[in-house]
Amino acid sequence: QITLKESGPTLVKPTQTLTLTCTFSGFSLSTSGVGVGWIRQPPGKALEWLALVYWDDDKRYNPSLNNRLTITKDTSKNLVVLTMTNVDPVDTATYYCAHRFTTVEYNYWGQGTLVTVSS
Amino acid sequence: AVQMTQSPSSLSASVGDRVTITCRASQDIRNDLVWYQQKPGEAPKLLIYAAFSLQSGVPSRFSGSGSGTDFTLTISSLQPEDFATYYCLQNYNYPRTFGQGTKVEIK
Repeated sequence: QITLKESGPTLVKPTQTLTLTCTFSGFSLSTSGVGVGWIRQPPGKALEWLALVYWDDDKRYNPSLNNRLTITKDTSKNLVVLTMTNVDPVDTATYYCAHRFTTVEYNYWGQGTLVTVSS
Repeated sequence: AVQMTQSPSSLSASVGDRVTITCRASQDIRNDLVWYQQKPGEAPKLLIYAAFSLQSGVPSRFSGSGSGTDFTLTISSLQPEDFATYYCLQNYNYPRTFGQGTKVEIK
């Protein structure tokens, strides 16, 4: 059974760095074809894809975030970390991590974690 | 980035209705298109991948079609549990991009 769970702060001040952790079980991020991505959703708005790390440590980012994102994986601990620098109130959103495998994009999702950026 | 345009942004329908949602890509994305359903307060749920492949466990009333730039999600007979927001996602290239969503409401 594949599960993912996001964790991190619920409130962050503008200009600070946000660090979110995705802890997963039921699969290995060393298996060929597997990836873990991050997607966010501002309140009442659409989904936005942020970043992805593959089993082979290939990483992809959304350039609209202007190089503010870093994604890393710890295969031995079954976790993926997303770091976002210089946050702004527009970064207020529910952040999801999700599993992908080969051509099946995001078949398992975490429950999401709401992050509010406010002073 | 590939732009994904969904239409309509919302629709009202009755139980039993046939519902069609479209997604148009700004460039050819072959059949690299995914459909999700999202209910309030929940994470998205994968319905269709590779434009027309039904994810395991998803009812057969859901179907996907299209290739290239134009795609369609069809619900053949709308059920009460289908009232939700639907999103398309292109997984042809990076950055991945979602459509803006289609909210299906009760008429």
